[in-house]
Amino acid sequence: EDKVVQSPLSLVVHEGDTVTLNCSYEVTNFRSLLWYKQEKKAPTFLFMLTSSGIEKKSGRLSSILDKKELSSILNITATQTGDSAIYLCAVGRETSGSRLTFGEGTQLTVNP
Amino acid sequence: EPEVTQTPSHQVTQMGQEVILRCVPISNHLYFYWYRQILGQKVEFLVSFYNNEISEKSEIFDDQFSVERPDGSNFTLKIRSTKLEDSAMYFCASRGLAGQFFGPGTRLTVL
Repeated sequence: EDKVVQSPLSLVVHEGDTVTLNCSYEVTNFRSLLWYKQEKKAPTFLFMLTSSGIEKKSGRLSSILDKKELSSILNITATQTGDSAIYLCAVGRETSGSRLTFGEGTQLTVNP
Repeated sequence: EPEVTQTPSHQVTQMGQEVILRCVPISNHLYFYWYRQILGQKVEFLVSFYNNEISEKSEIFDDQFSVERPDGSNFTLKIRSTKLEDSAMYFCASRGLAGQFFGPGTRLTVL
């Protein structure tokens, strides 16, 4: 059974801090790892990672995949209150459907 | 920017009733999905759909569930006889080269 574990489960920081969120996985026939931000409702897509060691960056957010360690990190620099959300990690299989298996998420709270 | 849309945003139904949840995936995507999230729990995969047929389904997706693409744009999830435990947020997603994108969800409440 595919497994995705995120840590920490929750994190409280002050505006301006840098945070690192972790995701480790066990999946048969790994295809991709995806990060999402979930505020009130739907997961909003952040990154999709398929290759080890290549950093993806979008503004203050960046992410990297380590296939040897079966893990990924999501970094957020200079955090803002608007970054407060649940960050979800999901892995997809190399199958025709490429279903995603999600972790429990990290609840990030950024205080002013 | 194209996005996945879902209707209704909230559906309240009585136990035993049939419900149909609707989705319009991103137009050039070929893979479509339904996921659900029970309050306070993980997002769970239900079913994937490609080329007008189911490509994968989970253990949750039993005979009470069905999916359909009745025309070129809509993608529906039907629950034939709802149970209390079907109460959840249901997300539709579609996949393109850049990733898998989710709709805003339908909150289903079964009374």
